[in-house]
Order: sequence, then C-alpha cells, then structure tokens
Amino acid sequence: QVQLQESGPGLVKPSETLSLTCAVYGDSIGSENWWTWVRRPPGKGLEWIGEIYHTGSTNYSPSLKSRVTFSVDKSKKQFSLNLRSVTAADTAIYYCAREVGAYGGSQIDLWGQGTLVTVSS
Amino acid sequence: SYVLTQPPSLSVAPGQTARITCGGDNIGRKSVHWYQQKPGQAPILVMYVDNDRPSGIPERFSGSNSGTTATLTISSVAAGDEADYFCQVWILNPYDVVFGGGTRLTVL
Repeated sequence: QVQLQESGPGLVKPSETLSLTCAVYGDSIGSENWWTWVRRPPGKGLEWIGEIYHTGSTNYSPSLKSRVTFSVDKSKKQFSLNLRSVTAADTAIYYCAREVGAYGGSQIDLWGQGTLVTVSS
Repeated sequence: SYVLTQPPSLSVAPGQTARITCGGDNIGRKSVHWYQQKPGQAPILVMYVDNDRPSGIPERFSGSNSGTTATLTISSVAAGDEADYFCQVWILNPYDVVFGGGTRLTVL
C-alpha cells in the first residue's frame, strides 16, 4: 500500500524558510508520476504549490514561484519543499501528494495526511 | 488568471440529490477533477477527467462538464457525504493548477 508522510517543523518565524519533506512508502519515486505539494490555509480552499519529477524537473505555481524550491532524493525516496521569506499568510496545512494521468491534466490520486505549519514569532 | 467559481455552501436532505457546480470560462474544454475533504482529513479524489470514478467511490457519485459549468452529482445523499468539495483544472499558459473555492455540503 502506497503512503506519503510529511515531516518538518510545525512553527516557523516570519521571514524565515519553511522546509518540509515527504517520504514515499510502497511506491517508486522514480515511477512515471509527478509529485506535488498542496496547501490549505485555515478557513480557505486548496492551493497548488507545484510539482516535481524524479529527474528533478519542476513546475511551480506562478504565485509562489519566486519563493519556492523543490528537490528530490531518490535514494531516500523522498522529496522536499522550501518556501522562503514566509509570512502569516503562509500558515496552512501542507500536503504532499502524487499526480497521475496525462501531463498538464493529471489528477491527484494519493495524499499525505498533511502537516500544519504556523508562521509566527 | 483563470477562476473557478463554486457556491460556498449547499444543504441537502438525506436521500435527495446534491448537485455541486463549478463555473469557469470554457471549462467544458478542460478536464475537471473533484476532491472531497472531510474535517481533519486529507482530500480524496472522487471524480477525474469529468466523469470517471476512482475505484472505491460509490456509483452515487457522477460528473458532467459542458460549456461553462462542470457538475458533481451525488445521489441518495447520506450523512457521510458531508464534506468540502473542490473542483480542479489545469491551465497550460501559464502552467498552473487551479482549484475552485470549495463547496461545503451539509446534509440536513
């Protein structure tokens, strides 16, 4: 059974960098899927952050592109998110997930349980 | 930027049919996916590419997409269907994923 598990600090100070890692269990991170990060701020809807392929190719949301970087470590079967210069508006539950289907049209068929990250001093 | 419009809330009596809409410019030309999210849980995929159901999703769930509106239909609604529902599409220029604002379904 494939599972995803997010890990990282639950509290980040304003202007610092939010860093999260997603471990992939039961699937090859080198499979023909893209891996993605999605967040949900309190009281708001879902927001796509971007996606990464096992080769390291990435696509980022235009609204976050200037602050976000993804990376992948195939040997550890994990991928990571770095979001720089955070503010209170970045407080959210962060989900790692798997995309399947056609490139540029795929659906998210598997989600991690999510991790709450609060930005506060 | 591309916007998907969903009604913020919808209330339906048990056993009735819920129709959750997702409006967007020429959305009928795009593939629409739908997610269900219950409080404290991660989202799950309930419909993909307009009207395909993932395994494990009841036949009570169906989808359609035409013109400027995509619709997720849930027949014989039950208390367990109470959740937030989000539609989602891809935009290719600029490359992006757009979610609707979400519809909170309440079963009366």
